[in-house]
Amino acid sequence: QKEVEQDPGPLSVPEGAIVSLNCTYSNSAFQYFMWYRQYSRKGPELLMYTYSSGNKEDGRFTAQVDKSSKYISLFIRDSQPSDSATYLCAMSAAAGNKLTFGGGTRVLVKP
Amino acid sequence: DGGITQSPKYLFRKEGQNVTLSCEQNLNHDAMYWYRQDPGQGLRLIYYSQIVNDFQKGDIAEGYSVSREKKESFPLTVTSAQKNPTAFYLCATHNPGHINYGYTFGSGTRLTVV
Repeated sequence: QKEVEQDPGPLSVPEGAIVSLNCTYSNSAFQYFMWYRQYSRKGPELLMYTYSSGNKEDGRFTAQVDKSSKYISLFIRDSQPSDSATYLCAMSAAAGNKLTFGGGTRVLVKP
Repeated sequence: DGGITQSPKYLFRKEGQNVTLSCEQNLNHDAMYWYRQDPGQGLRLIYYSQIVNDFQKGDIAEGYSVSREKKESFPLTVTSAQKNPTAFYLCATHNPGHINYGYTFGSGTRLTVV
């Protein structure tokens, strides 16, 4: 069983819909949680960063962490075709530790 | 303009050849990483280095080698021992002392065996 699980998708939504992405993990020591966006044939770029539990909002993006359930989520409101990409979750137990990545979810936002 | 430069963008390797992928950074980050990404797959860690002149194997180090002689540079050699090297290779850097604990990625090198 992988340490971080993420549904590969693809997740197809109409423009303007809410995109809901999530990851589950097994290591209770994880405290730092990140979401990356990767366009085709490009390197991933950091989208959201959260420490410990709670919510964080940045524009159309909201990241949630539920450590009791070992579950993290990313919501994209008012989705746009430009949001079509692969979204990877990543996490670590300490600031200097290596990140453990999920396998990524491919998202398609149709005009 | 700070960032990570990976070169070349595309690389073709013949069977039995060794090839070297370049990764240069001017972010002054201590840690550097090499990942392999196969179509529809996540990132798999090949090697990483947290300080100059030191590096550790990741999950799939067999058939690869690295060096870290300078803080700015972390080249990856794909040797002939790597039987299935066709993949997208990503270099990343990390500054553990920064409040943003995420990695910064390069734009990748696509390696194809011909």
